[in-house]
Formats: sequence, structure tokens, C-alpha cells
Amino acid sequence: EDQVTQSPEALRLQEGESSSLNCSYTVSGLRGLFWYRQDPGKGPEFLFTLYSAGEEKEKERLKATLTKKESFLHITAPKPEDSATYLCAVPQGGGSYIPTFGRGTSLIVHP
Amino acid sequence: SAVISQKPSRDICQRGTSLTIQCQVDSQVTMMFWYRQQPGQSLTLIATANQGSEATYESGFVIDKFPISRPNLTFSTLTVSNMSPEDSSIYLCSVKITTGVLAKGQYFGPGTRLTVT
Repeated sequence: EDQVTQSPEALRLQEGESSSLNCSYTVSGLRGLFWYRQDPGKGPEFLFTLYSAGEEKEKERLKATLTKKESFLHITAPKPEDSATYLCAVPQGGGSYIPTFGRGTSLIVHP
Repeated sequence: SAVISQKPSRDICQRGTSLTIQCQVDSQVTMMFWYRQQPGQSLTLIATANQGSEATYESGFVIDKFPISRPNLTFSTLTVSNMSPEDSSIYLCSVKITTGVLAKGQYFGPGTRLTVT
């Protein structure tokens, strides 16, 4: 069965302290890996799609990378407004594009 | 991208009653999805709603409990029937954007926070 595992579950950083979030997956025939940001009480906000190993995408202080088994979301010099839950998702196999979501990493950035 | 709105944004309901959640998209989309997100959990897909056909339900979800309508390409409703406190959750509407065979991201509505007492 396809699985998506995110770590750590929670992460506390000081403003400016860079770090990385991990998303490991087991799926046959990867057809994309998605990263989302979710603020409390809101729906997930789409950030990135990565399609192949070695691919990288950047948006402001965030950079997502992909290998054959996992993806990293690097946060460089985070600010308090980066505090949110970050979700990754992988489309199910067998011809379905419906994503399976990980449980997310709750990030808190202290000023 | 797509802009998605949901009504109501939140509600408190008594057990045994039903609530219908509306989802409106600003563009025509083929596939719409309904998710549930229980406290501290990730997103669980309830069903896929395609216009002109019956919704497809995931394991553990049935039409009698979560009837779905999809009257056109920009609108869908999800009803949570005969509610119990275990149905307390955030319900999210989502649409999928694709480019050929590649899956792009899904876009989500703001969610409906349901509390059943």
C-alpha cells in the first residue's frame, strides 16, 4: 500500500534558523509529489509539484527537492509568518491521480 | 489556479440532524473532491464527484451517510447525514488541475468546520 510519512511531526525554530522538513514515500511509478501549506482553520494552500528525482522548486524562503525515495522542504532564514503545517502528498498508483497525504509537519517560528 | 468558496464556514449542529455544505469554484472543473480532516489528522478523501455521474466513495464512506450532488461543472454539495459527535471535523472541497498525463496540485476551499453536539 502506498504510504507517505512526514518528519518531524512538529518543529520549533527561532527566526532566521534554517531547517528542513522530510517527506518519504513508497509508491510505484511516481507521477508527482505535492507540497502544501495549511494555516489553522484554513484549507491547504498549494506550494509545489515535483515530478522527477533531482528536481527543485523555490518560492521565497522555501525550496523543495526530490529524490527517488523522499522529498525535502528546506526553509531558509524563516520568519514567524512561515509558521504553519506543511503537508506533502503523492498521487495514488494504479492510474489514479488522487493524492495520499502525509500527516504534516507543524512548524512554529519564534521571533 | 482556481478560487474555491465553501458555505457555511462553520456550524454547530445537534446529533441526528443533517448539514449540507456547498462548494463553488470560479472555473469549470471536471473532478471535484470532498475531504475530511479530523483534529490533528491529515486529509482523508471521502469521495470524488464528477459532473453527470454518481460520486465515487472511498472505503469507509457511504452514500447514505455522505450524499453528494454535482449539478454542474462549478458547484457541488456534500451532506453529512444523521450526524454524531464523531462527525465533528473540517470538511474540505477540492479540485484537481492536470496537464496531460502529469498531475498538478489540487486546490482547496477554506473548509467547513463542523461541530456536532
